[in-house]
Amino acid sequence: GAVVSQHPSWVICKSGTSVKIECRSLDFQATTMFWYRQFPKQSLMLMATSNEGSKATYEQGVEKDKFLINHASLTLSTLTVTSAHPEDSSFYICSASNNAGTDTQYFGPGTRLTVL
Amino acid sequence: AQRVTQPEKLLSVFKGAPVELKCNYSYSGSPELFWYVQYSRQRLQLLLRHISRESIKGFTADLNKGETSFHLKKPFAQEEDSAMYYCALSAHGTSYGKLTFGQGTILTVHP
Repeated sequence: GAVVSQHPSWVICKSGTSVKIECRSLDFQATTMFWYRQFPKQSLMLMATSNEGSKATYEQGVEKDKFLINHASLTLSTLTVTSAHPEDSSFYICSASNNAGTDTQYFGPGTRLTVL
Repeated sequence: AQRVTQPEKLLSVFKGAPVELKCNYSYSGSPELFWYVQYSRQRLQLLLRHISRESIKGFTADLNKGETSFHLKKPFAQEEDSAMYYCALSAHGTSYGKLTFGQGTILTVHP
């Protein structure tokens, strides 16, 4: 149990376009989902916390207008990278928790974004 | 602000040898500490958390508040333990259990 999926697993897009990444909890209801970014050979950096039915909370330095997060249901959160540029190329990972973020976080497999 | 430091990027041991992956943290309050593991081509998964005080796959970790450390130990390393290990901290008092990760340590266990 407690499986989190992400779609797509990898995406290549042109500079200036927008890309949407989905994060789903497959067998539990996720009150809270987290979005991380991971650069090559570096650690995970928390971008934002997404709570079902409310606005996401962004970490300092993360542009909320560039990284749009929607958590419309208890099993789905989406991250949209708007007007993507090559510097947005990265590995994006989501995690889900079913107890207001205080319970164990289950991680998705990640999405590799490459912006040309 | 909280911070997690894993001083070793790479750690190599031979099978059967003891292994210790170091983790130090800085946080003014009472933290919750975790170890996550990522095996090759797999997603990040929880290995253990300090409040559980359990041993998973032979690994243990003790929270030392005096030294602000949460080192991960295993007395006899196995080849299947080769993976990337992340130490993470969740600050008590925050509503959402946000995790701050260390840089990670790649453990290689040689036969």
